[in-house]
Formats: sequence, C-alpha cells, structure tokens
Amino acid sequence: QSVLTQPPSVSGAPGQRVTISCTGSSSNIGADYDVHWYQQLPGTAPKLLIYGNSNRPSGVPDRFSGSKSGTSASLAITGLQAEDEADYYCQSYDRSLSALYVFGTGTKVTVL
Amino acid sequence: QVQLVESGGGVVQPGRSLRLSCAASGFTFSTYAMHWVRQAPGKGLEWVALMSYDGSIKYYADSVKGRFTISRDNSENTLYLQMSSLRPEDTAVYYCAREEGTPYVSSPYNWFDPWGQGTLVTVSS
Repeated sequence: QSVLTQPPSVSGAPGQRVTISCTGSSSNIGADYDVHWYQQLPGTAPKLLIYGNSNRPSGVPDRFSGSKSGTSASLAITGLQAEDEADYYCQSYDRSLSALYVFGTGTKVTVL
Repeated sequence: QVQLVESGGGVVQPGRSLRLSCAASGFTFSTYAMHWVRQAPGKGLEWVALMSYDGSIKYYADSVKGRFTISRDNSENTLYLQMSSLRPEDTAVYYCAREEGTPYVSSPYNWFDPWGQGTLVTVSS
C-alpha cells in the first residue's frame, strides 16, 4: 500500500550516472513535506542515505545526491560503483489518515 | 556507538500474540521519538507505529490499529511492540528506528536513523 511510486529497477555500468524517481501526491511530497532516502544492501537493515531532500549524513559519498520538486523527488548516483548495488527507498510524511509516514515502492539498482 | 537491537521474533500461530523489544544504547533514549517499521519477505518498507520521547503520543498505521500496542521504558532504554490477533499478513522483519531531526519533538520533517538489524516474525499455522 505504498503511496510513493518508484521504478522497480534501474541499472548502469560502473562510472555511469543513474537516477531514481519518487512520485507522490498533494498529501505528501506535494504538501511540502521533506523526502528522505534509504539504502538497503542485501540482507541488511535500511541505512539513511539522504535526509531533508538533499542533505547527506556524514560518511555518505558525495556521488549520492537528492532533489525535490512539486510532488516528486529524485535520487542521483554519479560514478556508479559495484557496492552501490542495493535497494533504495524514498520516504516522506503523509497527512492522510491511513499512515503518517510513507515509503516508496523501492528501486533495485543493478551495476552491470 | 549508537545501536538498536531488536529481539522477540519467531513463529506464531494466527490469532496469537507476540511482544518485540528494541534495546537502545549509545544515545539518550529518553529524548527521542521511536518507530517500528516492517518489511514483508521480498517486499518494501511499511511504517507501523510511533511513540513520542515520553510515551505520551502514539500513532499507528491503519493496518495494525487496534491490534498492536507500542510502548517504551525509558529507565531501561527499551522500546516494545505488543502484537496481538496476529495474521499471516503480519509476517515480516520488524525494525525499530530512531526518529532524527528535531530533539524531543516528533516532526513530519524528521527521518529514521539509525535502524536496528530487525527481527523476523512469521505468522503461520
């Protein structure tokens, strides 16, 4: 029942740039709530990657960047590396009654 | 270092109950709102519940409202999730996560960091 839509998969060769979209609505991203991104490596817990739309926690490489516009957000990975192969989730807040915090459907990034 | 460790998962029959725990260390637990988030096998993340830093405010996803109860013991630095009337669709890895951003106050602009390693709950007869 995710209310934020992401592409199921994206892929790229090492060194390339890939982007992941996160599409919401007027009750979440479009209501000016921030978007955050998490990386989930295989068999591990999610890890914070981007917070507040475009801020990187310490230790996150600067080849990860985030942006937000209107009812959508994007995560870009430049200089793709093998260790970036993982699932990525966006997250925001939703002012509807069914769930306060909502996640994207998730995107599997494959490094070719 | 900041750490969250979940425990209490296992196999349980439909309709039965289970209590999960999340032990926090490395930070002042009593000043942070805390959350439970779950992930069904092979599926995405689903927010489950929130508790404010002092336990005065609780929110639940509709999918668990009336069946799950979130609580905390700040003297023991532990977060709990009491799950009752369990259904097969509750089968998932359950993660606890700290709400980060603004101290004390839970905000819609905050994010989850860090996350525990998760504990698997399987509801099956």
